[in-house]
Amino acid sequence: DIQLTQSPSSLSASIGDRVTITCRASQSISTFLNWYQQKPGKAPKLLIYVASSLQDGVPSRFRGRGSGTDFTLTISSLQPEDLGTYYCQHNYDTPYTFGRGTSLEI
Amino acid sequence: QIQLVQSGAGVKKPGASLKVSCQASGFTFTDWGISWVRQAPGQGLEWMGWISAYNGYTKYAQKFQDRITMTTDASTNTAYLELTSLRSDDTAVYFCARDQKYSSNWYDYWGQGVLVAVSS
Repeated sequence: DIQLTQSPSSLSASIGDRVTITCRASQSISTFLNWYQQKPGKAPKLLIYVASSLQDGVPSRFRGRGSGTDFTLTISSLQPEDLGTYYCQHNYDTPYTFGRGTSLEI
Repeated sequence: QIQLVQSGAGVKKPGASLKVSCQASGFTFTDWGISWVRQAPGQGLEWMGWISAYNGYTKYAQKFQDRITMTTDASTNTAYLELTSLRSDDTAVYFCARDQKYSSNWYDYWGQGVLVAVSS
């Protein structure tokens, strides 16, 4: 199975900060990588698909980059509503595993 | 608007089965697939499998292969997840999510999730 390692596992940042979350795959997955945001008690929300495509309705401060084994999700200017847990997930080969998540505190 | 409304929450005894439903609205059901993801209390997300509502093709995570069944009913726009031989570590919130019809790609709309607790 392909493992996804996210770092950091948690972080605290301030409004307006630039925040970057990293996701590393245990083997090359091309750009078969998606990012989700989950708020407490809620279903996840799709942010980025195919590594860098912004989902409709997601603010442009969210940016995904990477290919192969190394990927990043960057929030260019942190807003209060960005708190939550962020997960990467691959869809290269089954099982389509998720990373363990990055908990973001404001 | 696009919605996935789930039902089937509850408490199950070890060895029993769960069946969770996911009723879709606001889009053409058979043009899409449905994936199922679960989340144990305080834990991360776990992909369970995908079903195409277009042709019924399924992909299951190997760890569930012997006890999972996903189905769809186009007449009611509903997807179902059945998991048998339940154990305590199957206690989780079960989510359905809209996916692509030819393969599992990304999940753009999600159900609200249902909590299934396995306890004697």
